[in-house]
Amino acid sequence: DARVTQTPRHKVTEMGQEVTMRCQPILGHNTVFWYRQTMMQGLELLAYFRNRAPLDDSGMPKDRFSAEMPDATLATLKIQPSEPRDSAVYFCASGLVQAGGAGELFFGEGSRLTVL
Amino acid sequence: AQKITQTQPGMFVQEKEAVTLDCTYDTSDPSYGLFWYKQPSSGEMIFLIYQGSYDQQNATEGRYSLNFQKARKSANLVISASQLGDSAMYFCAMRDTNTDKLIFGTGTRLQVFP
Repeated sequence: DARVTQTPRHKVTEMGQEVTMRCQPILGHNTVFWYRQTMMQGLELLAYFRNRAPLDDSGMPKDRFSAEMPDATLATLKIQPSEPRDSAVYFCASGLVQAGGAGELFFGEGSRLTVL
Repeated sequence: AQKITQTQPGMFVQEKEAVTLDCTYDTSDPSYGLFWYKQPSSGEMIFLIYQGSYDQQNATEGRYSLNFQKARKSANLVISASQLGDSAMYFCAMRDTNTDKLIFGTGTRLQVFP
């Protein structure tokens, strides 16, 4: 079964440390999204890519967050320096968007980040 | 700007009964897609159903159907014959077909009781 793979599944770190989350999208999908989920804010769109090109990262705090797709099999989300308010579950999702198609997103299992 | 609104923070339904989860949206684009996702307590996001803005018929997938009322900008999810395993958070989402941007509502927590 094809699926989106995220690593790490859980991460506990101290404030100020760098955190990198990785995502392997489903082979052949042309869009990749990063979402953050918290109890207070729900599912927030952080950034997304189409054919590896960043389309919108307006949801990310620019001073500390960065998102990249170095190749079609890897998307990364980096936080440097991390802060306690970054504690959340970070989801990666990929989809195949075609004209006339649903283009539903398939989600990874999420990376649960705790910043102490 | 696009917006998705789910006004029901929580819903209760008895097993075997039908339940409707509300979703309204706002967009100025004529072309868009509407989605429903389920998130059980385990945390994964599961795609349920999709409705395109130009689709003439309401989407159905097994026990799930989408009551699409375009003029009212609503896309309610109907779950028929509820099961205990349907207890979860349910999210409505909208995709702008020009930008592919997919945004989510705040979700509705459904609890099915025996």
